[in-house]
Amino acid sequence: QQQVKQSPQSLIVQKGGISIINCAYENTAFDYFPWYQQFPGKGPALLIAIRPDVSEKKEGRFTISFNKSAKQFSLHIMDSQPGDSATYFCAAHYTGANNLFFGTGTRLTVIP
Amino acid sequence: DVKVTQSSRYLVKRTGEKVFLECVQDMDHENMFWYRQDPGLGLRLIYFSYDVKMKEKGDIPEGYSVSREKKERFSLILESASTNQTSMYLCATSGPGTDTQYFGPGTRLTVL
Repeated sequence: QQQVKQSPQSLIVQKGGISIINCAYENTAFDYFPWYQQFPGKGPALLIAIRPDVSEKKEGRFTISFNKSAKQFSLHIMDSQPGDSATYFCAAHYTGANNLFFGTGTRLTVIP
Repeated sequence: DVKVTQSSRYLVKRTGEKVFLECVQDMDHENMFWYRQDPGLGLRLIYFSYDVKMKEKGDIPEGYSVSREKKERFSLILESASTNQTSMYLCATSGPGTDTQYFGPGTRLTVL
């Protein structure tokens, strides 16, 4: 059973546009929500993360929006660039767990 | 910088062969993980280890076993490879009480 549901599976965005990837969860014990970015031929790497005490976190062009009551969080990539083309995974973690629970991934393609 | 290395980038094996995938980390991390990555299914946890000689099953342990004799090394073993084990295998590590995982570059295994 997928603990974190991610959509869409793939996304094509024009250069300069906004890319939005959504995730939803059920387990209210989750207290940490990271996003990982994976380029072809590489392993995933942590991009940005949020804890549920804030509703938004921004790092450069990347923003996580978090809606605790809806149990949803999303990644927004502003001014998307071809170099952002990658697979993005959302994940969730709860204190005491050793592992992360990953979404199924979104393949983002930014066309020039 | 955390460095996670995997023994092979590409591997081709025949059905029924015993396959060893090795992962080595240089950060003295307690936790090590093996995932497989398949299109549309995301990252699925096979096994993880939180200490030397300790292991726990993940979501899809069937057909796999693991070995952790030294802290820095975590091996994934396919006792008798089958074609449905053709996949990308990713190793990851994390420190105690931390939720960030560091991934290796992956091994793309093809079983013929």
